[in-house]
Amino acid sequence: AQSVTQLGSHVSVSEGALVLLRCNYSSSVPPYLFWYVQYPNQGLQLLLKYTTGATLVKGINGFEAEFKKSETSFHLTKPSAHMSDAAEYFCAVIRSYNTDKLIFGTGTRLQVFP
Amino acid sequence: DVKVTQSSRYLVKRTGEKVFLECVQDMDHENMFWYRQDPGLGLRLIYFSYDVKMKEKGDIPEGYSVSREKKERFSLILESASTNQTSMYLCASSSWTSGSPYEQYFGPGTRLTVT
Repeated sequence: AQSVTQLGSHVSVSEGALVLLRCNYSSSVPPYLFWYVQYPNQGLQLLLKYTTGATLVKGINGFEAEFKKSETSFHLTKPSAHMSDAAEYFCAVIRSYNTDKLIFGTGTRLQVFP
Repeated sequence: DVKVTQSSRYLVKRTGEKVFLECVQDMDHENMFWYRQDPGLGLRLIYFSYDVKMKEKGDIPEGYSVSREKKERFSLILESASTNQTSMYLCASSSWTSGSPYEQYFGPGTRLTVT
């Protein structure tokens, strides 16, 4: 069965520092993977996704993620954090190819300090 | 842009009341979803609908039902609200036939408090 593990429910960084949010998955089929962001009091918004092709995926707001099959990982990074990046981030994987249903991780809350 | 709207941002109901949460999407998506979001648990799927009048239970359907009479509207119903249903409820939609399959679009959420 598919599953997603996000290591670290809270991550704190200083403004300008590297952001690294970890996501590991388990999937019985080649995975399609997603990162969503949720700003305070809002719904989720897609940051980026991996389906096939290039394993380094670029998203909005300067974020990127790399699909590493050997490590079953899809970690999210941003070279330089901005105060506006403070939000909750969710990693997700599709349940199967014949449905749009996703399995979400438990989320990582990112705090950015000045 | 896809827009998913939810009828209320905040809702306070009493134990035992029947509660309706409404969701509307404007992009003709065939798939619609209801999730529940709780701290430390992430998003959990309550119900899924892949067409008008078609529904499928998700991971935590107990205590909930849904209705989809029109393609654009998906309602979540709490038949008899209980305090353990206090949560944030998120609606989403997606289209299998669009250029972005599997990509879900979310509404702003309804924070429900049951007292």
